Amino acid sequence: AQKVTQAQTEISVVEKEDVTLDCVYETRDTTYYLFWYKQPPSGELVFLIRRNSFDEQNEISGRYSWNFQKSTSSFNFTITASQVVDSAVYFCALSEAIQTGANNLFFGTGTRLTVIP
Amino acid sequence: NAGVTQTPKFRILKIGQSMTLQCTQDMNHNYMYWYRQDPGMGLKLIYYSVGAGITDKGEVPNGYNVSRSTTEDFPLRLELAAPSQTSVYFCASRRPGELFFGEGSRLTVL
Repeated sequence: AQKVTQAQTEISVVEKEDVTLDCVYETRDTTYYLFWYKQPPSGELVFLIRRNSFDEQNEISGRYSWNFQKSTSSFNFTITASQVVDSAVYFCALSEAIQTGANNLFFGTGTRLTVIP
Repeated sequence: NAGVTQTPKFRILKIGQSMTLQCTQDMNHNYMYWYRQDPGMGLKLIYYSVGAGITDKGEVPNGYNVSRSTTEDFPLRLELAAPSQTSVYFCASRRPGELFFGEGSRLTVL
């Protein structure tokens, strides 16, 4: 069964600090996708990244970077030089890559990030 | 591009009332989903559909019904609303590897 654990319920940082959000997953599938979504106070879900299980290369997009390690089943998300606009709830999610059945996304419980000006 | 559109955005119901949350997507995706998000929690799957005429239960289907008469529309029906159904509901459609969400519908049952 798939499971995503985000152990950090809430994190507060001062603006311009770096912050890492942890995500640990469980799956028996050999092929899967990992995702990060951002949910700002307005409530919508904003897609940030998708990573295929075959691609362990880390990715950087501006101030955002992701560290995928299959050996530890982790897909951590780092925000460099945090800004107040980064304040949101961040969700990590997992799904099978092969389209069978529900092909559902399994979400973690989210990490609420507060960036203090 | 409209993407996934949900209506209404907000609704207050009395216990025992019924209502339908509407969801429409214009991306011709076969897969569609309804999730609910309770405070401090991630999203949980209520129902899903892999194409017109095909629906199936997710993790938390009790108290809900769905239909999928067309590829575009996937309405969620609440019969006999209960306070436990107070939540934010998200509709989504999917292409391989990517899920597209609607903006959410906040439902309160009093």
